[in-house]
Amino acid sequence: DGGITQSPKYLFRKEGQNVTLSCEQNLNHDAMYWYRQDPGQGLRLIYYSQIVNDFQKGDIAEGYSVSREKKESFPLTVTSAQKNPTAFYLCASKGGRGFNQPQHFGDGTRLSIL
Amino acid sequence: GNSVTQMEGPVTLSEEAFLTINCTYTATGYPSLFWYVQYPGEGLQLLLKATKADDKGSNKGFEATYRKETTSFHLEKGSVQVSDSAVYFCAPHDSGYSTLTFGKGTMLLVSP
Repeated sequence: DGGITQSPKYLFRKEGQNVTLSCEQNLNHDAMYWYRQDPGQGLRLIYYSQIVNDFQKGDIAEGYSVSREKKESFPLTVTSAQKNPTAFYLCASKGGRGFNQPQHFGDGTRLSIL
Repeated sequence: GNSVTQMEGPVTLSEEAFLTINCTYTATGYPSLFWYVQYPGEGLQLLLKATKADDKGSNKGFEATYRKETTSFHLEKGSVQVSDSAVYFCAPHDSGYSTLTFGKGTMLLVSP
């Protein structure tokens, strides 16, 4: 079955450490997105990519980095510059170029600080 | 930029009660409108969508009608079940933007 796979499900970060969250999709979608979700909050966009080798900052990109070397993969690195990284991170993808296509979401990665 | 206003939760209902979750939005263009649902510990799933004025999206007993004149997309269900307990997000996608805009979400708690 086609879908989006995020790993790991739970991740712990030590102070000063960079960690990378994986997102893989086999839906053949061009666009991919990373969101951050805090308790009681909506989703805030971190980065998005509409095509391989290109990506754009979202509303809260500071302290994060991404790459898009393959269509299927859009990893997110939470750097040590992100001072409050504890959150639920969601990856999504979207097919087609129109704005009437929905985004498809993975099951998320929960990141905590040790 | 765009914005979305959803009614604050939690919304607490008894099983078989009628549900309405209000959503209004601002947009510069003529957006497509989506409702997503998030069950505990999971990602978001598309619940329903509408892409033009007066369209009604429906799925699993939920409905929402695209009201361009009031810029609203209220979610309704005639008889909720315990299994409907989740967080519901309204999200317009404006033609002038590359991404969705999400509301803060409304938690629904249904008791037996």
